[in-house]
This record gives sequence, structure tokens and C-alpha cells, in this order.
Amino acid sequence: DTAVSQTPKYLVTQMGNDKSIKCEQNLGHDTMYWYKQDSKKFLKIMFSYNNKELIINETVPNRFSPKSPDKAHLNLHINSLELGDSAVYFCASSTDRNWEGMNTEAFFGQGTRLTVV
Amino acid sequence: KQEVTQIPAALSVPEGENLVLNCSFTDSAIYNLQWFRQDPGKGLTSLLLIQSSQREQTSGRLNASLDKSSGRSTLYIAASQPGDSATYLCAVIPYNQGGKLIFGQGTELSVKP
Repeated sequence: DTAVSQTPKYLVTQMGNDKSIKCEQNLGHDTMYWYKQDSKKFLKIMFSYNNKELIINETVPNRFSPKSPDKAHLNLHINSLELGDSAVYFCASSTDRNWEGMNTEAFFGQGTRLTVV
Repeated sequence: KQEVTQIPAALSVPEGENLVLNCSFTDSAIYNLQWFRQDPGKGLTSLLLIQSSQREQTSGRLNASLDKSSGRSTLYIAASQPGDSATYLCAVIPYNQGGKLIFGQGTELSVKP
């Protein structure tokens, strides 16, 4: 019973295509995130949604558009894919309560390895 | 700007050794610090979370400490096993930044049988 699940796990596509990655969490969390892990394994925040509202947009190109139909889902749509978009994309979730004094442990999905050729 | 650094970048030890992984951060204004494990080609598994008011957390053979004022955390692994081989990542949640995690580059641990 996976807590944070992403699909697909692997995605190989040509430059210029549009693709989507889906994420679902069954933890009852209010906040969901997208992180990007580059070829050097460095993880960096892209977006954060809280109760379907965008709260973090970390200077990501506008070809990337997150969409949250409800607080359990956060999908990532990428237009006009470029070679440099190749990376592993991780979805995560956590509670949105007062960060101090609460258990705000973040849980991650298994990642989507995107390869643009 | 918050920066997180992990030393060493890679570590190889024989089975059975106790070891310490280090994490430092430049700004002490954090809500908590979280240690993760990442196996090759896999996602991140949360190991321990230390809230800013805490000094340490323990789970099995793992013990994580936090000294917020000096900007340091350590992850202690007792009696290491080959199954502990993975990349260990630490991350902090800074104040007033929407709950995002800022990660270090990770320490790649190899435990030899």
C-alpha cells in the first residue's frame, strides 16, 4: 500500500514532445511537492501545493506546469521537452501544520526517470 | 541563502564498523532536519526527522543529532552492514519558505563484507 506513488516510473520521449507525470498520496497530507534530481544526484524543489493552491514556484521554466485536482494528487505537465529536462522527478508530501513542534516528516515517491532524446 | 553540505561525499568501510556521516547548514533558522536514504535507482526513504527543539533521534542502529546553533547534524550508524550501502541525504526545512526541503549533496556509503 504505497504512500506516495508516481507514474510512470520511466519515461523516454523525443525533444519537443509534451508529457505528464502523475502523483498520488494516500497519507491525508495537505502539502505536495515536486523535486528534480539532476545528473549529479542533487535534489532541488520545483513546486509546492497546499490544499490545491500553489505556494512555491522555484524559478522553473513555464514549460513546466503543475496541476492539483485535489489535495491527494499533484501532476506535472511538461511542454516542449528539451534535452536538459532529462532527470529524475520526485513527488513528495507532508503535513502543512505549524512546522515547528509538529511531525512534518516528508515522504517521497519512487521517482520518474525522464529521458529526452 | 541556506546551503547544506555533507562530508564526506563518499565513504567505504568494512562490515561491523561504527561510522558517522556529517551534515552542516549555513542558516540556523530551520524548523527541522531530516535524514534520508536513497538506494541506486530508487526513491528516498525517510530515516529520521529531528525537530528544531530536539537534540537527537534514534531508530534501531541509527542515531541522528542536531546542534542548531552551530549548524550541524550527524548520523551515527552502529555496527554497519552491507545492506546499509546507499546514499544518505540530509535536508533542512528553513523558516518561512513554504516547507520546502533544502538538500545536501549526499554521502555515498559502501559497506564491504
